[in-house]
Amino acid sequence: AQTVTQSQPEMSVQEAETVTLSCTYDTSESDYYLFWYKQPPSRQMILVIRQEAYKQQNATENRFSVNFQKAAKSFSLKISDSQLGDAAMYFCAMIQGAQKLVFGQGTRLTINP
Amino acid sequence: KAGVTQTPRYLIKTRGQQVTLSCSPISGHRSVSWYQQTPGQGLQFLFEYFSETQRNKGNFPGRFSGRQFSNSRSEMNVSTLELGDSALYLCASSLAPALYQETQYFGPGTRLLVL
Repeated sequence: AQTVTQSQPEMSVQEAETVTLSCTYDTSESDYYLFWYKQPPSRQMILVIRQEAYKQQNATENRFSVNFQKAAKSFSLKISDSQLGDAAMYFCAMIQGAQKLVFGQGTRLTINP
Repeated sequence: KAGVTQTPRYLIKTRGQQVTLSCSPISGHRSVSWYQQTPGQGLQFLFEYFSETQRNKGNFPGRFSGRQFSNSRSEMNVSTLELGDSALYLCASSLAPALYQETQYFGPGTRLLVL
């Protein structure tokens, strides 16, 4: 069975600094997709970034980038130049085979002004 | 293009009642998935529909059911509500489940409170 683990329940960072959120996963498949979703207080789940497992190059979306280590089954999210609007719950998720996302427990990110 | 919409946004029910939640996917999206989010269990997959057919189902009791209409809109129904059914119910749509790498886009959710 596939599992996703986020070991940091809470993280905080000063505005304009960089923060990294950790995620590890377990799967026996070689083909899968990984995602980071952001859930602000509005509870709307927003896609931040996605990574295809077959791609070695790390995905990047503006200030958001990932460090994908396939052998280690690690998928961390780096947020550069943190902004107040980045404060939210961040969920790491994986999908393989059937259209069914498996989520981690989430990391609550606080941005200190 | 409009995003995923869910109605109602908030709902209060009592134990034993039943409830129906609605989800309209992004235009052109044919797959709709439902998730339950609770503080204790986190985000859990309920089921997924494509072309009016349930293709995948999570580990939930039969009280949880759903359906999809020809316009891809989906409803989920929970019968004989229990206190533990209080949760945020999220709907997500994607282009096609045959290509499982399609990204799922979420609606704002329906918050259900069972008293």
